[in-house]
Amino acid sequence: QQQVKQSPQSLIVQKGGISIINCAYENTAFDYFPWYQQFPGKGPALLIAIRPDVSEKKEGRFTISFNKSAKQFSLHIMDSQPGDSATYFCAASMNTGNQFYFGTGTSLTVIP
Amino acid sequence: GAVVSQHPSRVICKSGTSVKIECRSLDFQATTMFWYRQFPKQSLMLMATSNEGSKATYEQGVEKDKFLINHASLTLSTLTVTSAHPEDSSFYICSAQDVQGAYGYTFGSGTRLTVV
Repeated sequence: QQQVKQSPQSLIVQKGGISIINCAYENTAFDYFPWYQQFPGKGPALLIAIRPDVSEKKEGRFTISFNKSAKQFSLHIMDSQPGDSATYFCAASMNTGNQFYFGTGTSLTVIP
Repeated sequence: GAVVSQHPSRVICKSGTSVKIECRSLDFQATTMFWYRQFPKQSLMLMATSNEGSKATYEQGVEKDKFLINHASLTLSTLTVTSAHPEDSSFYICSAQDVQGAYGYTFGSGTRLTVV
C-alpha cells in the first residue's frame, strides 16, 4: 500500500517556468513532510521540508504548500532552470526516529 | 551540515560472492540508520532499520539472512549482501539520523551493485 501518492510521474517545463509536483497522504499521524532531490547515481538530498502547523514554506525558488484538511502538499519550483532537472521525491514520517514513506518520484526535465 | 559517507559507490561482483557496503556518519552520531534499495526510475524501498547495538528490523519480504546488517557503533552501519545473484543488482542507499532525534535524515550517495 502506497502511503504517499505522488504525481505527475514525469514533468517537462521550459526554463523560467513553474514546476509543480503534488503529493497526497492518508495517515493523519504524519507530522513531517520533506522533499528530496535526486540526481542520477546519487543519493537523495533534502530540498525543503514542512510541518503541518504551517501552510506554506518558502526557501529561495522552492515553496511547499500544505493543505492539512485535504491531506495534500505540493512543491513549487519557481523560475525553473535546466540544473533543476532531477527526480523529486516527497516523503512523510511520524514522530522522531521513524521511517520515511516516500512517494513514487517525479522526473523533472527543464528545457532551455 | 550532516554528512553520510557511503562506500563503495560502485561494485561489480561475481554471482555467489558476498559484498559489504559501509555507511558512516562523519560529523554526527547516528542511533538509527536505514537501508534502502532503489530500482531504476523507481522510488526508494526501505529494506531495514538498524539501531546501534541491537538487531536490525527488516521490512516484510526482505531476507535477513541474505542482507546482513550490522550497526556496531554510532557512526557505522554495514550492509552485507551474501551469496549475491544477478537479481540483487540494484542501487543501495543508506540514511542516518542523529542521536538528538532531529527530524532531518541525511542520505549517503548510494552504492551501485552489479552482480555478474
